[in-house]
Amino acid sequence: EAQVTQNPRYLITVTGKKLTVTCSQNMNHEYMSWYRQDPGLGLRQIYYSMNVEVTDKGDVPEGYKVSRKEKRNFPLILESPSPNQTSLYFCASSPFGEGNTIYFGEGSWLTVV
Amino acid sequence: AQSVTQPDIHITVSEGASLELRCNYSYGATPYLFWYVQSPGQGLQLLLKYFSGDTLVQGIKGFEAEFKRSQSSFNLRKPSVHWSDAAEYFCAVAGGGSSYKLIFGSGTRLLVRP
Repeated sequence: EAQVTQNPRYLITVTGKKLTVTCSQNMNHEYMSWYRQDPGLGLRQIYYSMNVEVTDKGDVPEGYKVSRKEKRNFPLILESPSPNQTSLYFCASSPFGEGNTIYFGEGSWLTVV
Repeated sequence: AQSVTQPDIHITVSEGASLELRCNYSYGATPYLFWYVQSPGQGLQLLLKYFSGDTLVQGIKGFEAEFKRSQSSFNLRKPSVHWSDAAEYFCAVAGGGSSYKLIFGSGTRLLVRP
């Protein structure tokens, strides 16, 4: 079954404690990205990757890092989380080519206290 | 810059009634347009998408949407709503040479009265 899997799904952490949200897709997609969803703002892109070792900033990259060492994995790293990073995070993937569907994971609820 | 406006934050309809969710976009060329649905506690599921061709697009779960270039709109419709359609609906646009980055609207939450 085609899947984008995120972990953890739910996390409460404290300010400044580094954390990583993992994302893995089993569809051999080249493109992967991270979004955050906040009330009244919809989803906004944090970072994206067009292929292994190729990453770039989205619209709201401050406070986040990513890496793409393998095609299937695209972890999101919060080096020093702050309360304003409390949000619902989605990972997404897509194959190259116009008209292809972008697949989303189930989301990761992150609370920073 | 691309943008998407969903003017209705909440919409309540009775089960069996028709539904129209509004979406307006801002983009200089022909955009790629999407509607996604997010059920409580779930991820995003693609309902339908428009890339080119016929401006009336059929999707899953009985939804359809019509692309109207003159109005910069891509409204989502369903002739008869079911209680299971209660969810949040997001309109999104992609373009600028990339069909991968999506710009989302702020969402419309649909409530269904029994």
